[in-house]
Amino acid sequence: EVQLVESGGGLMKPGGSLRLSCAASGFGFSGSWMSWVRQAPGKGLEWVGRIKSRVSGGTIDYAAPVKGRFTISRDDAKSALFLQLNSLKTEDTAVYYCAAHSRVGTIDFWGQGTLVTVSS
Amino acid sequence: DIQMTQSPSSLSASVGDRVTITCQASQDISNYLNWYQQKAGKAPELLIYDASNLKTGVPSRFSGSGSGTDFTFTISSLQPEDIATYYCQHYDNFPLYTFGQGTTLGIK
Repeated sequence: EVQLVESGGGLMKPGGSLRLSCAASGFGFSGSWMSWVRQAPGKGLEWVGRIKSRVSGGTIDYAAPVKGRFTISRDDAKSALFLQLNSLKTEDTAVYYCAAHSRVGTIDFWGQGTLVTVSS
Repeated sequence: DIQMTQSPSSLSASVGDRVTITCQASQDISNYLNWYQQKAGKAPELLIYDASNLKTGVPSRFSGSGSGTDFTFTISSLQPEDIATYYCQHYDNFPLYTFGQGTTLGIK
């Protein structure tokens, strides 16, 4: 069974930094492309960024609102995905989901999400 | 960027009703369109991929159709457990994954 478990969310002040983690199990993590997707309170889904598998080149892409502030990384030995959030803004307040792709265009598996709140 | 316009934003229907949600792309996206269900307080789940393919294990009352710019998601006979918000999603070169605004489905 695919399991994605996020952690690391919390209350942060604007300008602060936070690191989210996602522990993956139940599938071939090292060969999988992974994404982060966020959802502001009461709002829709917003893709944050994606990292390809090492065999696919390990390319990382980001959505425009977070490019230059957020960094995605992975540790295949530990089946873990990370999201480093820097220069946080109030508009970054959201539940952040870790997600796995089994097809390029689909987001096939999702974690339960971790809440990041940015407020002064 | 390609824009995805989903409608309606909300609707209510009775158990057993046929329910239809539409998603319109601002330009031709072939069949690169997926549908997700998100129940309250839960993570989204993929239901349909490539416009009309049902993910394994998803009940057959769910279906999708369309290509180009106009897409439809249908529940043939609404069940109480189908209460959720439904999102369409497109994949492109950039931004990679674009979601519609969502349709919140309730029971009358």
